[in-house]
Amino acid sequence: DTAVSQTPKYLVTQMGNDKSIKCEQNLGHDTMYWYKQDSKKFLKIMFSYNNKELIINETVPNRFSPKSPDKAHLNLHINSLELGDSAVYFCASSQEAEREKVNEQFFGPGTRLTVL
Amino acid sequence: ELKVEQNPLFLSMQEGKNYTIYCNYSTTSDRLYWYRQDPGKSLESLFVLLSNGAVKQEGRLMASLDTKARLSTLHITAAVHDLSATYFCAVANFGNEKLTFGTGTRLTIIP
Repeated sequence: DTAVSQTPKYLVTQMGNDKSIKCEQNLGHDTMYWYKQDSKKFLKIMFSYNNKELIINETVPNRFSPKSPDKAHLNLHINSLELGDSAVYFCASSQEAEREKVNEQFFGPGTRLTVL
Repeated sequence: ELKVEQNPLFLSMQEGKNYTIYCNYSTTSDRLYWYRQDPGKSLESLFVLLSNGAVKQEGRLMASLDTKARLSTLHITAAVHDLSATYFCAVANFGNEKLTFGTGTRLTIIP
């Protein structure tokens, strides 16, 4: 199936631990994103990569570090996890943007992170 | 800073009725998207609107865009239970492709 996939789907961990979430897309897209959805369902961009290069880095604690080994993968590593990091993290991908083109973003299934 | 507001935040309506969800954004944007999210699921793209006056329809849902008013609407016609979900609008600009999302509208269709 062509899609955006994430692993794991659920992640439960203790405060202070370090964890990673993996994202892969086989849509041939050039750009990948990480979004965070909080407990109130609000969605906010965290990072964006285009062809392995960081292009968007919102105000996110530096405990969060994205890594893109190739343009089909964008992983999210989180150090020293805090209670407030509990959320659902969505990966997305899209073609490189062109003016007046749709540039639709396709979302992965999400990773529900719970920090205890 | 771009802000995107939706209203209402919660909407409970009976099957067969019509209603409209509103999405206002604060600065000029190139594209407006509507997404649907079912509980515990990912986001499903519904519509992408690019230009002033754009109107798109799929089944019982119709989206429109007024770029001068910075307003998009998602109209639901003769609602059915299957449309129960949270609906998000989002805007993006060419050259800065991050999606800025609205607060979401949680729609519940009552039989």
